[in-house]
Amino acid sequence: AQSVTQPDIHITVSEGASLELRCNYSYGATPYLFWYVQSPGQGLQLLLKYFSGDTLVQGIKGFEAEFKRSQSSFNLRKPSVHWSDAAEYFCAVATSGGSYIPTFGRGTSLIVHP
Amino acid sequence: DAGVIQSPRHEVTEMGQEVTLRCKPISGHNSLFWYRQTMMRGLELLIYFNNNVPIDDSGMPEDRFSAKMPNASFSTLKIQPSEPRDSAVYFCASVTSGVNNEQFFGPGTRLTVL
Repeated sequence: AQSVTQPDIHITVSEGASLELRCNYSYGATPYLFWYVQSPGQGLQLLLKYFSGDTLVQGIKGFEAEFKRSQSSFNLRKPSVHWSDAAEYFCAVATSGGSYIPTFGRGTSLIVHP
Repeated sequence: DAGVIQSPRHEVTEMGQEVTLRCKPISGHNSLFWYRQTMMRGLELLIYFNNNVPIDDSGMPEDRFSAKMPNASFSTLKIQPSEPRDSAVYFCASVTSGVNNEQFFGPGTRLTVL
């Protein structure tokens, strides 16, 4: 069965600082990987996704993520955080074993200090 | 396209009352998902439909919960009778078919059961 872990419940960064949110998955083969963002009172919005090919994926709002098979990770990064990036971030994994139904992590809450 | 539409956005009801949540998926999407989000349990998949047919309802917590999709443009999630522990944000998401499972989420319905 597929599973995804986001080890950090909260992350606090200063505006302008770099950001890395961690995501680890458990699955034997290459999964489909996603990062979503949820602003307060809103639904989830897709930031980026990885299916195959280049392991460094570019997304919206200046985010990128890198798939590392050896570490079973798909960490989300941004070189310079803006106050508007404060939100909840969810990693998700979908696999053939799970009928391609995404399983979501518990989320990481990003707090941005001015 | 207006995106996934959910109604109502907020619902406050008393324990024992029937609650019906509504969802209109994006036109052309043929899979629809209902999720529940709470602080304690995160984002839980309740049920999903493919071509209006319920495929997996193993996430539905109990018989008090039921979901229907009478046509491609409408789905309901009903709780009868409601209980305080049902208080949560309920999301609907729709997806096009295939392995490119990018889910488009609605804004959610915040349910409070007193």
